[in-house]
Amino acid sequence: DIVMTQSPDSLAVSLGERATINCKSSQSVLYSSNNKNLLAWYQQKPGQPPKLLIYWASIRQSGVPDRFGGSGSGTDFTLTISSLQAEDVAVYYCQQFYTTPIFGQGTKVEIK
Amino acid sequence: VQLVESGGGVIQPGGSLRLSCAASGFSVSRNYITWVRQAPGKGLEWVSVIYGGGDTYYADSVKGRFTVSRDNSKNTLYLQMNSLRAEDTATYHCARDLIIGQSRTGAFDIWGQGTMVTVSS
Repeated sequence: DIVMTQSPDSLAVSLGERATINCKSSQSVLYSSNNKNLLAWYQQKPGQPPKLLIYWASIRQSGVPDRFGGSGSGTDFTLTISSLQAEDVAVYYCQQFYTTPIFGQGTKVEIK
Repeated sequence: VQLVESGGGVIQPGGSLRLSCAASGFSVSRNYITWVRQAPGKGLEWVSVIYGGGDTYYADSVKGRFTVSRDNSKNTLYLQMNSLRAEDTATYHCARDLIIGQSRTGAFDIWGQGTMVTVSS
């Protein structure tokens, strides 16, 4: 089974500063048939379901602020929040779809 | 466009429960619908998927115990959970696969709020 490992487990960032979350897959999630990385990012706030932010590793879902960006390919991926806002406090998950869906363990983002 | 789960509750180990996931704004028969669960304070775990064509797939942890079905006339999905264990305690969400053109992205764009299942004696 593919293992998804996020780092760090938590981070505290000052308002307006950049937050970076990493996600590493134990095997490549690049699907050769369409040359897409089958990797998504979600934001989950307490008491709410996850919200899709990014799919295909770098495509922002409709309505998601452009301060959220995804990058990476193969086995290493990054979610960047370019200028942290108070409403971005949440747990963030990566998820691969190369095999049956597997989520990372989550990264908690707080305000410093 | 939304999904609404129901049917959760407290059940004894070994018992059965059926969850429902009612869709509005889109047709479940033309989409892939996934069940994802989240144990209290823990991360997300994929449970099962039902394809538009009716094929179903399950996580190893629930295979043989859980069954997904669908009533197209009610635009509703069901998750029949049998032989429940303490480790099945979780909030169960249904979610829709995001399709771009004809391609599954593998991401889930619409999520229900979830229904809580507690397995305890």
